[in-house]
Amino acid sequence: GAGVSQSPRYKVAKRGQDVALRCDPISGHVSLFWYQQALGQGPEFLTYFQNEAQLDKSGLPSDRFFAERPEGSVSTLKIQRTQQEDSAVYLCASSLRGQATGANVLTFGAGSRLTVL
Amino acid sequence: GQNIDQPTEMTATEGAIVQINCTYQTSGFNGLFWYQQHAGEAPTFLSYNVLDGLEEKGRFSSFLSRSKGYSYLLLKELQMKDSASYLCAAEDSNYQLIWGAGTKLIIKP
Repeated sequence: GAGVSQSPRYKVAKRGQDVALRCDPISGHVSLFWYQQALGQGPEFLTYFQNEAQLDKSGLPSDRFFAERPEGSVSTLKIQRTQQEDSAVYLCASSLRGQATGANVLTFGAGSRLTVL
Repeated sequence: GQNIDQPTEMTATEGAIVQINCTYQTSGFNGLFWYQQHAGEAPTFLSYNVLDGLEEKGRFSSFLSRSKGYSYLLLKELQMKDSASYLCAAEDSNYQLIWGAGTKLIIKP
């Protein structure tokens, strides 16, 4: 597609519910990132995929967070047993570069705003 | 540790010039990015510096000093639509982006 598409744009969950957030990156983009952004803060790294391989998941805050990209395109971020502190905007970004030289310019989706009540 | 510092908020007048500073400390360095983020929207790429000096792109310019761990974004001929948050991010030796908290720029008529 023309840009990075994320769904849902808004999600309200009751504490303890599971949620799944979807990211459709730009076609052909090798790298895919998930970030968490709190209000008034910069993006905080969650996890990184190169094609279908999850190369870095060091930013996932707990084992309740799980991400996958099984065919190297669409990715899903799943949060189990949501807690109030999980409320944030979840941003997905993709880029052409694997780990080659040159600027690794990220194209972001508009984000999924999660509110946990 | 790795750290990015930038001012929380700045105010400027329409038509004026504003400079947003960013200092960084990272494990290795592979470049410095500036992104613009309007409220409720996705961050969008503005500029990338990897060598020392000034990169000019229309009304926006970005400067880098690697020895000082310092960058700035210069916005000229400010327009109301430039009201947004400006995010500074440094790429470390693992090609991981370390993000600042963003500078909220308020433009007044």
